[in-house]
Amino acid sequence: KNEVEQSPQNLTAQEGEFITINCSYSVGISALHWLQQHPGGGIVSLFMLSSGKKKHGRLIATINIQEKHSSLHITASHPRDSAVYICAAYRGSQGNLIFGKGTKLSVKP
Amino acid sequence: DAGVIQSPRHEVTEMGQEVTLRCKPISGHNSLFWYRQTMMRGLELLIYFNNNVPIDDSGMPEDRFSAKMPNASFSTLKIQPSEPRDSAVYFCASSKTGTYNEQFFGPGTRLTVL
Repeated sequence: KNEVEQSPQNLTAQEGEFITINCSYSVGISALHWLQQHPGGGIVSLFMLSSGKKKHGRLIATINIQEKHSSLHITASHPRDSAVYICAAYRGSQGNLIFGKGTKLSVKP
Repeated sequence: DAGVIQSPRHEVTEMGQEVTLRCKPISGHNSLFWYRQTMMRGLELLIYFNNNVPIDDSGMPEDRFSAKMPNASFSTLKIQPSEPRDSAVYFCASSKTGTYNEQFFGPGTRLTVL
């Protein structure tokens, strides 16, 4: 069993839909990264959070440390949101990241 | 800020050859990470440095892989000899040293070993 599990693996949505990607982890962590990887391959950090909720534009990330679960939400999805979304948990405090397999999102116009 | 810089962006080599990947972290960042991404295994941490000192190299596959950070602005990942199974995208990332600091990724080097 992977230490960081994401669901779903693949997600197809229509433009405008509300999207949720889930991440569960088994390691004892205190913080988690959400990353976005576009078809061109570049990786961009979306959020790093250790509690509660963070919002940036149409993106919202939540984390529940006790339940070892995090979610990434996209409101009013757009085709340009099409990408692979990866959650990564910190093992230890100095940056040793453990990655989920990613969720491939495709938003159709 | 130029971001994390990696070179080369693409590398094609033959089995048995030595390969050197290079990374320049963001100025002021004291932590540097090398990752490998494959279709089968996704993203994996290979090694990371704090203040130029290797902290955790448990992800380095085998002795054919080595990484150095001679100063705060430069790191190399070397594979010698290379094998076809080393074909992957190698990412370098940097962050400020401290607890749970956001990591910034370079564009990656796509390595193909024939």
